Parts: sequence; C-alpha cells; structure tokens
Amino acid sequence: GNSVTQMEGPVTLSEEAFLTINCTYTATGYPSLFWYVQYPGEGLQLLLKATKADDKGSNKGFEATYRKETTSFHLEKGSVQVSDSAVYFCALCPLGNTGKLIFGQGTTLQVKP
Amino acid sequence: NAGVTQTPKFRVLKTGQSMTLLCAQDMNHEYMYWYRQDPGMGLRLIHYSVGEGTTAKGEVPDGYNVSRLKKQNFLLGLESAAPSQTSVYFCASSYRDSAGNKNIQYFGAGTRLSVL
Repeated sequence: GNSVTQMEGPVTLSEEAFLTINCTYTATGYPSLFWYVQYPGEGLQLLLKATKADDKGSNKGFEATYRKETTSFHLEKGSVQVSDSAVYFCALCPLGNTGKLIFGQGTTLQVKP
Repeated sequence: NAGVTQTPKFRVLKTGQSMTLLCAQDMNHEYMYWYRQDPGMGLRLIHYSVGEGTTAKGEVPDGYNVSRLKKQNFLLGLESAAPSQTSVYFCASSYRDSAGNKNIQYFGAGTRLSVL
C-alpha cells in the first residue's frame, strides 16, 4: 500500500544551522509529493510540492527534490531561523489524482537562538 | 479571508455523549476532508466529500458520520463518543486546478476533543 515515513523528531538546531528532514515513501507509479508545515496552535499549510520525478519544490528557503530512484523527498534549508520552529509533515497523493493525502507522522523542529 | 473555519476549537465530552463538529469554507472548494491527528501518527483521513450531497469513507471512519448538505459546510458527527476518539480534528478543503489536480489542501485550525 501507500505510506510515508519521516525521520523521528524532535530535531533541535541552533539558528543559522543547516536543516535536513528525511522523508521516504512507498507508492505505485508516480505520486505527487508535498511538505506541509504546522505552526503552534494552527492548521497545516502547504510549504512546497513536486509532481514528477526530479522536480524540485521550493518556498521560503526550503527545498525538496522528488527522487524516484530512492523514493525520497527530503526537506532542506540552508539556514534555519527561530521562526521555522514547527511540525513538518511529508505527504503523498497516490497516482490517480483522488485528492486524498497520505501523511507521514510529522517531525518537530525546534530552533534555538 | 476566513478560509477554512472549524467550530468549536475545544470540547470535552463524557463517554457516550454525542456532538457535531462544523467545518465551513468560503473558497467555493468542491472537495472537503476530515482528519484526526494523534501523537506519532500524523494525520489520518476519516471521511471526505467530492461535492455537495456526497460523502465517502477514509482510512478510519468507524464511530463517525458526516454530512455535506451545503457546498461550504462539512459536518463531522460522533454519535456515542469513546475515549479512543480523543484527538485533534482537522478539516480541509481543496479545488481542482487548471491542470485538473485537486491535491492542494487548505486546513482549518483544528478542534481539540477530549473524551473522558
């Protein structure tokens, strides 16, 4: 079946450190891939997405590349800020464009000044 | 811009009580979804709707019912609440874009429900 696995959290970094949050997936065909972010007390917001192999999604300094060969969609940012502290969710939409998303378990990021 | 609004934000129920969670969206989106979020498990789809008057089961539908009588509203009902339904509930909506995709979902702020 379809599934998403993210690295365990929490991830604690100092401001301006490099961030990587790993995400791997299992799916048939070519699903669409997403990163959502949830700030404290809020709902999820789309951060970036990629719809086909080798696509790179980017937004607010975050990037993720759709790697079909390793079934991965790792999230990266070169220099994190305290305001990036949040929970990050990797998700996929299976082939067939049903609109239903399958989420990973979420990774909490805490950035310290 | 209100976006997706969930009511109430917090609720405490006793086992066996019933309640309805309301989700309202003002973006004229066709598709709406209800998820629950539990620690270490991400979000799991409870029910969803592809249009007014339609509903379908998601991954964890047992113990819940839904209705979509109006396009802008999607109601989630718990007929007889159980402690296992203690969770944070999120509603989301989406639209079909120019490429025919409908997977960008917009989320409400959530409802935190405790069942004692």
